[in-house]
Amino acid sequence: AQKVTQAQTEISVVEKEDVTLDCVYETRDTTYYLFWYKQPPSGELVFLIRRNSFDEQNEISGRYSWNFQKSTSSFNFTITASQVVDSAVYFCALSEAAQAGTALIFGKGTTLSVSS
Amino acid sequence: DADVTQTPRNRITKTGKRIMLECSQTKGHDRMYWYRQDPGLGLRLIYYSFDVKDINKGEISDGYSVSRQAQAKFSLSLESAIPNQTALYFCATSDPGTNYGYTFGSGTRLTVV
Repeated sequence: AQKVTQAQTEISVVEKEDVTLDCVYETRDTTYYLFWYKQPPSGELVFLIRRNSFDEQNEISGRYSWNFQKSTSSFNFTITASQVVDSAVYFCALSEAAQAGTALIFGKGTTLSVSS
Repeated sequence: DADVTQTPRNRITKTGKRIMLECSQTKGHDRMYWYRQDPGLGLRLIYYSFDVKDINKGEISDGYSVSRQAQAKFSLSLESAIPNQTALYFCATSDPGTNYGYTFGSGTRLTVV
């Protein structure tokens, strides 16, 4: 069965620290998609990245980077030089292409608090 | 206008009342979803619909029902609200062709007292 585990419930850092949010997934499909979403205190869900299972290249977008490793079924998210505005709940999610368009399965989220 | 609109944004209702949460989209997507978010539990799927004639139960459908009135509209009903249905509810749509991702509404915060 598909499952997403975010073992870190809460993380607190001081501004300018680097922080990595862990995500481990389970799936029987060979084709699947992984996502990260950010939920700031205002409550909306902000899409950050989508990665398909055939593309293991790491990705960097500004201060954000993602490390996808199929060997360990992990899709970790690193924020470099964190800022107070990064404080939010971050969700990792999985979608299986065999049932394309089937619902996203979310992890329970990691609450990141960045203090100044 | 937002691609996915949820109404109301906030609602307080009494135990035992029937309440409907509405979702409409302008994305032209066939697939629509209702999720519930509780602190520490992430988002859990309540119902999903792949087209007007297709409705499927999700992980936590008990106590809820849905109606797909049109491609663009997908409503969630609580027939007899109870306090543990207090949560943040999200509607979402997806593109079946590319699986590029999902568009979420802004959420409905429901409180059952």
